[in-house]
Parts: sequence; structure tokens; C-alpha cells
Amino acid sequence: SQKIEQNSEALNIQEGKTATLTCNYTNYSPAYLQWYRQDPGRGPVFLLLIRENEKEKRKERLKVTFDTTLKQSLFHITASQPADSATYLCALGPSNTGKLIFGQGTTLQVKP
Amino acid sequence: DTGVSQDPRHKITKRGQNVTFRCDPISEHNRLYWYRQTLGQGPEFLTYFQNEAQLEKSRLLSDRFSAERPKGSFSTLEIQRTEQGDSAMYLCASSFSLSDQPQHFGDGTRLSIL
Repeated sequence: SQKIEQNSEALNIQEGKTATLTCNYTNYSPAYLQWYRQDPGRGPVFLLLIRENEKEKRKERLKVTFDTTLKQSLFHITASQPADSATYLCALGPSNTGKLIFGQGTTLQVKP
Repeated sequence: DTGVSQDPRHKITKRGQNVTFRCDPISEHNRLYWYRQTLGQGPEFLTYFQNEAQLEKSRLLSDRFSAERPKGSFSTLEIQRTEQGDSAMYLCASSFSLSDQPQHFGDGTRLSIL
């Protein structure tokens, strides 16, 4: 069956460092992958989308890579700030519908 | 900016009661999705609409659940004869109709079953 795995343990880093979050998947060939941020009690907020034929996407301090051979995406936040503390979700999409399949999320804590 | 709006934000009810949630999507979006999220997990897909047509339903959506989008604008999700296991956050999202478009989520309705 399709499986998506994100770092299950919380990631704690010091302000100013780069945070790297991992999303691995099996038994699936997504057409695209999305990353969302979720704060407690709020809905997910879209951050970045990367398609299967793209290797890397950047937006300000964010960078995402997508390796369809390794079946893995890496999400980087450079120069991290305490305000980046949240849960980050990766989501995979098929090519024919908009349905997203989410990982369980990774909680990031950036300490000042 | 009028994002996705969900009502109510919180609902507490007794087991066996019926509940209905409402979602108002971003007006230009013709796709609308419902997801369910439990603590420590990512959202799980329930169903989606393209305009007023319900195009896909998850096996998670038992016959106690029904969703409608009568005029292709707002949507309702009804749960009949609620059970303890229905306690969760119910999230609505909307997007343009191309499949690789970002989905914009509301802040959800948190359902607690007593």
C-alpha cells in the first residue's frame, strides 16, 4: 500500500541554522509534491509545489528537492527563525485528480 | 483576502446526534475538498467536488457521512449518528481545477463527541 513517511520525532535547531525535513514515500508515483505548514489549531498553509520533472524549487528562505529515483523530497529552511516553529506536512498528488495524500508531519522547533 | 471559511469552528455533541459543517471556498475555485485530521496525523482525504459534482469519495466516508455542494459554491458535510471515532478536525480546502494546483485550507471544524 502507499506509504508516506516524515521524520516522526520533532526537530530542534538553533536560530540561524538550516532545518532539513525529509519526506519518503513508497508504492507511489506522484505527479507532484507539495509542502505545507500547520500551526496548532489552524489549517495547513501552502508553501511550495514541485513537479515530478523538477529537481529543485526555491522561494525566499525555502528550498525543496524531489528525487523520484530515491522516492524522497527534502525541505530546507535556511537562516531559521523562532517564527518558523510549526508542523510541516508533505503531500503527494496523483496526476488525474487533486486529491492529496499527506504524511504525518514533522514538528520543527527553532530555539532563539 | 477572503480565504476558505468554515463554520462552526468547534462542535461538541453527544454520541448518536447528527452534525453538519459548512465550508465556503475561495470564490474563484471550482474544486472543493474535505479532509479529516486526528491528533499527530496528517489530513486524510474524504471527498472532493468539481463544481457541484462529487467526483471521488474515500472508503473512510461511511454511509453515515454525506457531503453536498448544491450550487457549486459552498459545501456541507453531514455526519449522522455520530460515534466516538468521529472526533477529529474536519478540514475544507479549495483550488482551481488543474490537478497540480495548491490547495487552500480553512481552519477547520473541531468535532468532539461526548
